[in-house]
Amino acid sequence: GQQVMQIPQYQHVQEGEDFTTYCNSSTTLSNIQWYKQRPGGHPVFLIQLVKSGEVKKQKRLTFQFGEAKKNSSLHITATQTTDVGTYFCAGPFKSGNTPLVFGKGTRLSVIA
Amino acid sequence: GAVVSQHPSRVICKSGTSVKIECRSLDFQATTMFWYRQFPKQSLMLMATSNEGSKATYEQGVEKDKFLINHASLTLSTLTVTSAHPEDSSFYICSAAGGNNEKLFFGSGTQLSVL
Repeated sequence: GQQVMQIPQYQHVQEGEDFTTYCNSSTTLSNIQWYKQRPGGHPVFLIQLVKSGEVKKQKRLTFQFGEAKKNSSLHITATQTTDVGTYFCAGPFKSGNTPLVFGKGTRLSVIA
Repeated sequence: GAVVSQHPSRVICKSGTSVKIECRSLDFQATTMFWYRQFPKQSLMLMATSNEGSKATYEQGVEKDKFLINHASLTLSTLTVTSAHPEDSSFYICSAAGGNNEKLFFGSGTQLSVL
């Protein structure tokens, strides 16, 4: 079945440093989504990328979707302590849009 | 955005008892809901797809007789963990697709601890 791989598993950064997490799918995706889960919380939708090569920005967060629609990245510029949490990428499990299969996530720790 | 309500948020029960978890879409109708399971510091694993008015679709390795899913209305899906055992202890999260069946909205999750 389809797999979504995500690296790194953990990332510790000093506040103000940049952070990037990468996501790769074994198959071409119709779209890719990113979620953030704070410690003790539930996943919260961040963004969806649909087009090949698409780049979207949300303040300090930059999301990219690869040309082949098989990989994606999330980059955070100048991390803050509020960025702490686990970032998951997710792609459609089968043809169509739902349900989603999630990557293992990247746990971000920010040291003040 | 859409709101999904899940309760209880935490359950502690004795081994052998059954536990029911409810998931409600508060401001939209969800013909399909999804149940995920998450172990500590792990990713979300899809357990089953709950379909309103029909049988749930279970993922490989998930026992349908162990995890009973009922989706009797467009706003409510329930997951019942029958005869719970300590290995069933986990974080269970429901979700529903909003709008054009795209992004998922998650409930707040239920932490199940079986003693």
